[in-house]
Amino acid sequence: GAVVSQHPSWVICKSGTSVKIECRSLDFQATTMFWYRQFPKQSLMLMATSNEGSKATYEQGVEKDKFLINHASLTLSTLTVTSAHPEDSSFYICSARDRGTGVGETQYFGPGTRLLVL
Amino acid sequence: AQKITQTQPGMFVQEKEAVTLDCTYDTSDPSYGLFWYKQPSSGEMIFLIYQGSYDQQNATEGRYSLNFQKARKSANLVISASQLGDSAMYFCAMREGPSRQLTFGSGTQLTVLP
Repeated sequence: GAVVSQHPSWVICKSGTSVKIECRSLDFQATTMFWYRQFPKQSLMLMATSNEGSKATYEQGVEKDKFLINHASLTLSTLTVTSAHPEDSSFYICSARDRGTGVGETQYFGPGTRLLVL
Repeated sequence: AQKITQTQPGMFVQEKEAVTLDCTYDTSDPSYGLFWYKQPSSGEMIFLIYQGSYDQQNATEGRYSLNFQKARKSANLVISASQLGDSAMYFCAMREGPSRQLTFGSGTQLTVLP
């Protein structure tokens, strides 16, 4: 099946620094990528949807200036957490869809990035 | 209103037995898809099974089957012959319309007992 990679798998940073997370689709072209956030024992919450070559669409309550998303190519999307604070500590998961637009189109997930802000 | 409801925060099952994980959904869109994902402690989301709203038969994938009851708006996951490796969090998700994102339920933590 399709593979989506994420890098880094975990990161620890000091409060106030910025962290960039990369999401790559390895064997297919992902016209749409999604970024989710997951707190322990909770569900995945969609943060934003990014389409290649256009601005990301953020969900209500997600600060677009804090969580910068760039979808520069059909295989790469990045999430930058700017001026990270301890409350940004979470598990961030990216997901990608192939070019198909059917309702049954499978969404493939990356392995996730654990962010800890000290 | 919740789009996807999973009422079982935790479930236990004996190894080799079958278990049903409940999922109900709410949508007015006639075209939708229902998905089940498994998330082990490592965090990766593993796709298990898919059911389309127009599919006449229940979906099956190996030991996984989806009990789709459209009138009741339920899409329960049945795992047969449970294995220790099935212990994980299970999420039900729905996509309304072809270009929308997935909406996830709150998840069910399944523990398989030896």
